[in-house]
Amino acid sequence: ETGVTQTPRHLVMGMTNKKSLKCEQHLGHNAMYWYKQSAKKPLELMFVYNFKEQTENNSVPSRFSPECPNSSHLFLHLHTLQPEDSALYLCASSPFYGTGKLEAFFGQGTRLTVV
Amino acid sequence: AQSVTQLGSHVSVSEGALVLLRCNYSSSVPPYLFWYVQYPNQGLQLLLKYTSAATLVKGINGFEAEFKKSETSFHLTKPSAHMSDAAEYFCAVSDQDGNDMRFGAGTRLTVKP
Repeated sequence: ETGVTQTPRHLVMGMTNKKSLKCEQHLGHNAMYWYKQSAKKPLELMFVYNFKEQTENNSVPSRFSPECPNSSHLFLHLHTLQPEDSALYLCASSPFYGTGKLEAFFGQGTRLTVV
Repeated sequence: AQSVTQLGSHVSVSEGALVLLRCNYSSSVPPYLFWYVQYPNQGLQLLLKYTSAATLVKGINGFEAEFKKSETSFHLTKPSAHMSDAAEYFCAVSDQDGNDMRFGAGTRLTVKP
């Protein structure tokens, strides 16, 4: 148990569906992240929020829309996804963004399958 | 920008044998380096990290890694593999601003009885 909880753990959605992934941390951290993990590829950083403000968006398609209502919660809203978006989506948090030696704590991930 | 390369996407060892997982980094500034482990259907868990103190870093579960600047390496080792070590291992690097943590593609460790 890392203190970062993601729901749901598994999600199957059609290409025309709208769904949301949720991430919650009670570690008192101020930075939260979304990563995409695809088979045989390095983890891809998607979004970073620091003190509820989005600080990074690594050229992610607009069909992925993040939301960070407070420092403890992070959402990823999904709309009209493609089959190639099927992957494990990992949420992480760290005390601050911009301090390189502080490691990130990861949730267990949401396994997303787009059909 | 910094990057890491993990040599070998799959490593197989016998139980009780030495584990060596290789990681080389590229960074124009002194890096911070991390090893994470991912068990099936789980997120990533920190094993150990190097933050410019001692070059030999000890982590959880008997793992350790040595930072070698001359070789730009941060290889992960464990003297004796256990079946429970079977997992995927990721090396990561970030700069001192922490603005860009980069992960390697991962190495899957299999432990044979």
